[in-house]
Amino acid sequence: DADVTQTPRNRITKTGKRIMLECSQTKGHDRMYWYRQDPGLGLRLIYYSFDVKDINKGEISDGYSVSRQAQAKFSLSLESAIPNQTALYFCATSDGQGSSPLHFGNGTRLTVT
Amino acid sequence: GQNIDQPTEMTATEGAIVQINCTYQTSGFNGLFWYQQHAGEAPTFLSYNVLDGLEEKGRFSSFLSRSKGYSYLLLKELQMKDSASYLCAVKDSNYQLIWGAGTKLIIKP
Repeated sequence: DADVTQTPRNRITKTGKRIMLECSQTKGHDRMYWYRQDPGLGLRLIYYSFDVKDINKGEISDGYSVSRQAQAKFSLSLESAIPNQTALYFCATSDGQGSSPLHFGNGTRLTVT
Repeated sequence: GQNIDQPTEMTATEGAIVQINCTYQTSGFNGLFWYQQHAGEAPTFLSYNVLDGLEEKGRFSSFLSRSKGYSYLLLKELQMKDSASYLCAVKDSNYQLIWGAGTKLIIKP
């Protein structure tokens, strides 16, 4: 089983709809992240959380919100989806050590029509 | 502003050697990561450099020069499965990761 699991894997939704992307992990990491990836651009950080009571905005948080329901669960919501939110979304975790890499989920491909 | 530059695309031949460069301008430096990402899949960790020099890991090696703001990933004995994008990322003074756009590597038989 994957250590970092994202659901759904693919989602098509209409403009104006509210949707939620979910992420769960079995790695026991405190730190969790949401990124989006667009062709030709680097990964861009949406939100991150260092523990259940800690939520921080990334560089592109407008139009998104998050919830850290437990150490293992971190969900991303699009309040009112718009077409330019069409992208590949990744959840990632880390143990916070300097040399430790991020561990990514398999991604959610979101299309907003 | 902070910036990481990588070539957009490179082509190499199976069995050959390829070097993928990454130059960075960031506010501070706390380590550089290389990830591999196959199309439509998650990035996976390849290497980490924080001190100058070469880190070797099997067919893959990564080099860092902090004074030049420069790193490269060296892939030897290329295999078709190495066709992927390679992402360079730097931790800045706030320990935030800054990502390059990635280099798409195409391997030809």
